[in-house]
Amino acid sequence: AQSVTQLGSHVSVSEGALVLLRCNYSSSVPPYLFWYVQYPNQGLQLLLKYTTGATLVKGINGFEAEFKKSETSFHLTKPSAHMSDAAEYFCAVILTGGGNKLTFGTGTQLKVEL
Amino acid sequence: NAGVTQTPKFRVLKTGQSMTLLCAQDMNHEYMYWYRQDPGMGLRLIHYSVGEGTTAKGEVPDGYNVSRLKKQNFLLGLESAAPSQTSVYFCASQTSGSHEQFFGPGTRLTVL
Repeated sequence: AQSVTQLGSHVSVSEGALVLLRCNYSSSVPPYLFWYVQYPNQGLQLLLKYTTGATLVKGINGFEAEFKKSETSFHLTKPSAHMSDAAEYFCAVILTGGGNKLTFGTGTQLKVEL
Repeated sequence: NAGVTQTPKFRVLKTGQSMTLLCAQDMNHEYMYWYRQDPGMGLRLIHYSVGEGTTAKGEVPDGYNVSRLKKQNFLLGLESAAPSQTSVYFCASQTSGSHEQFFGPGTRLTVL
């Protein structure tokens, strides 16, 4: 069973526009949630994470995500896209009882156009 | 502080050949992981280790073996490479007190 689903394998936005990348998880118990970014020909870098506490999480480079238990979602947003945001973004979860093992979504490629 | 390094960066193998990928970390992390990344499939866990001398299977372990003889190194072996193992391989490490994994730059492997 898919633990994390990213809607939209490719998203294109104009520079300065809102970025919204969607992530939903399937778990009866709220997992730990993460967003990673991968720039071309590089490894993954942590953008932000939710473990406990405040449901609105702020990350690096102006990104933030909100954990919504009722919607089982953890969507990633940024108010104003920049050309340097073009990359692939991965949502990931650590499931309760899953040790420290990350389960990744299939990724969303973000394109930023002038 | 080099973080997580991977050797080699690129490799081309013929079907049936063997090779070892090396991952090294200088952060004294307890946990280490090997993933493969394929288009449209995200990253999938191959094997992982929670400490020196220990290893465990992940989601897609078949065709791979690993060893963690030293805390700072995690080796991934392919005994008899197959075209289905053409992929980008990433190593990651993590301290036991955190949920953040630190990734290496990847190894691009092509099996002909």
